[in-house]
Amino acid sequence: DTAVSQTPKYLVTQMGNDKSIKCEQNLGHDTMYWYKQDSKKFLKIMFSYNNKELIINETVPNRFSPKSPDKAHLNLHINSLELGDSAVYFCASSKGNQPQHFGDGTRLSIL
Amino acid sequence: QKEVEQNSGPLSVPEGAIASLNCTYSDRGSQSFFWYRQYSGKSPELIMSIYSNGDKEDGRFTAQLNKASQYVSLLIRDSQPSDSATYLCAQGPSGGGADGLTFGKGTHLIIQP
Repeated sequence: DTAVSQTPKYLVTQMGNDKSIKCEQNLGHDTMYWYKQDSKKFLKIMFSYNNKELIINETVPNRFSPKSPDKAHLNLHINSLELGDSAVYFCASSKGNQPQHFGDGTRLSIL
Repeated sequence: QKEVEQNSGPLSVPEGAIASLNCTYSDRGSQSFFWYRQYSGKSPELIMSIYSNGDKEDGRFTAQLNKASQYVSLLIRDSQPSDSATYLCAQGPSGGGADGLTFGKGTHLIIQP
């Protein structure tokens, strides 16, 4: 059973479009995260969310918005996609400050 | 701003030798530290977590934490070609809060057969 699953695995789209990436975890964790890994492989936190608070990395453009329908899901919605948004986006989850478990990633390519 | 520094490498180690990976961090308030392994095109995979000063051993892997020096290391004994990957050092948030991990840029390790 996949612990943290993301869909789609690959996403190719044009500039200006709006897209969503879905994430689900079946580990019973209380906190979920979105990370961006750029072309230089640098992994950077975008958002963290539990049922009490949303923490946003101040460098993330407001075109990016997380949406959590319940504790097991944290989706990422991106408006008006730009070339610089091309990257691999990883969802992760954890319980408290225990180790985070990562999904397989979504490879986003902007044409 | 929190920072985690690693030598990007590549670090080349003969098969069977000890690979030593190092990392320094800036946030003194952090209580948790992690080493992740990432193969090309794959997601980060947890190798070790460490929360207190000293050494923690798990199989061929030993993590070392020195909070006074703000230093974390990972030793891999009896290195195997399958250990060739990028190793990411990460620190958890200050006070165990909900914000995410701060990662270094990773050290590319090559184990030479």
